[in-house]
Amino acid sequence: QSVLTQPPSVSAAPGQKVTISCSGKNSNIGRNYVSWYQQFPGAAPRLLMYENNKRHAGVPDRFSGSKSGTSATLGITGLQPEDEAQYYCATWDSSLNPVFGGGTTLTVL
Amino acid sequence: QVQLVESGGGLVQPGGSLKLSCTASGFTFSTYGMHWVRQAPGKGLEWVGYVRYDGGNSYSADSVKGRFTLSRDNSQNQVYLEMTRLRPRDTAVYYCAKDLGYNSGWYLDYWGRGTLVTVSS
Repeated sequence: QSVLTQPPSVSAAPGQKVTISCSGKNSNIGRNYVSWYQQFPGAAPRLLMYENNKRHAGVPDRFSGSKSGTSATLGITGLQPEDEAQYYCATWDSSLNPVFGGGTTLTVL
Repeated sequence: QVQLVESGGGLVQPGGSLKLSCTASGFTFSTYGMHWVRQAPGKGLEWVGYVRYDGGNSYSADSVKGRFTLSRDNSQNQVYLEMTRLRPRDTAVYYCAKDLGYNSGWYLDYWGRGTLVTVSS
């Protein structure tokens, strides 16, 4: 059971927009920044977003992040087949230890 | 370019010990904190611990506290994860990751490919 709640899966057609939600509590998302990671099967995770909405170097501007209260959202526009991956949100808990969401599988139809 | 290469994984019996290493290159290793994150087969990511840039302080998850020790050798550009009293639920791919270095929090901006640790009799 992950501290942060993500939908197990989302899907959309190429060219469409998709959003992935990440829900937490006041003690984690509510008072800390959120980051997002992308992971392809058999590969290491890759940092996409940090400080809620800043893209890491090399991340296309099709990716965006936002936070409101105790929830955060990753948005991907102009969906491409190569975006099909697992996505994780992350923040810190009350002990200032990093915590991850359970992950969301994005399927590009 | 930044490279992180983990080594030392393998099969170990419950109650046994193992020491993982991560060798870094492509950045000024001694100025960045480093993390270990693990991923059980088919599961999500779990943060294991962090060691400060100078090795002067380290933090670990409650699930490994008292059993795992993080350290680093800046002269060798290496970070270590010493694991003792291993349990079957410690079975996972262990990744080392570089911290982005922002004061606003811990962000893991580069990751190694991981090393598999299997705890089984």
